[in-house]
Amino acid sequence: DQQVKQNSPSLSVQEGRISILNCDYTNSMFDYFLWYKKYPAEGPTFLISISSIKDKNEDGRFTVFLNKSAKHLSLHIVPSQPGDSAVYFCAARAGGATNKLIFGTGTLLAVQP
Amino acid sequence: NAGVTQTPKFQVLKTGQSMTLQCAQDMNHEYMSWYRQDPGMGLRLIHYSVGAGITDQGEVPNGYNVSRSTTEDFPLRLLSAAPSQTSVYFCASRGRGSYEQYFGPGTRLTVT
Repeated sequence: DQQVKQNSPSLSVQEGRISILNCDYTNSMFDYFLWYKKYPAEGPTFLISISSIKDKNEDGRFTVFLNKSAKHLSLHIVPSQPGDSAVYFCAARAGGATNKLIFGTGTLLAVQP
Repeated sequence: NAGVTQTPKFQVLKTGQSMTLQCAQDMNHEYMSWYRQDPGMGLRLIHYSVGAGITDQGEVPNGYNVSRSTTEDFPLRLLSAAPSQTSVYFCASRGRGSYEQYFGPGTRLTVT
């Protein structure tokens, strides 16, 4: 049972335009959400996060939006650059003493020059 | 700081063989985890540890063992390799009070 879902396996965007990556979750007890970026043959690297008490967090070109009632979060990249081409994973913290992170299946973003 | 290191980078095993994937971190992080990445499945948690001497199972623990005798090291053992364990394995660590996990570069394992 996939608790964190990324329903779009891939996304293609023109350079300079906005990229929107989506993520849905099922567990209302998740209290913290993160986005990771992964290039081929490398480990994932942390990109941006948001607490469940907020609905928006911004860091440069990257903004994450959280809609708790819909159990949905999205990552906006503006403007998109070719170097943003990578796989993006969303993750949710399970809470409690273990602090486990549950990851989605990933979305491959291709930014076309 | 080297961060999180993993060895080997690549490994080919025959069915039934055993091996240990090594993971070490030099950031004095309490939390360490092992994930596997498979196409269409994302990153799935195999085992994790919240400190030296403490380990627990994740989503897909069968066929794997872990131990945490020191803060720095968290090896993953494949007891009897199966083709279903062909995957890319990532080790990660995180400090207490932080949500951000740092990942190693991964080990690509093929079981024939």
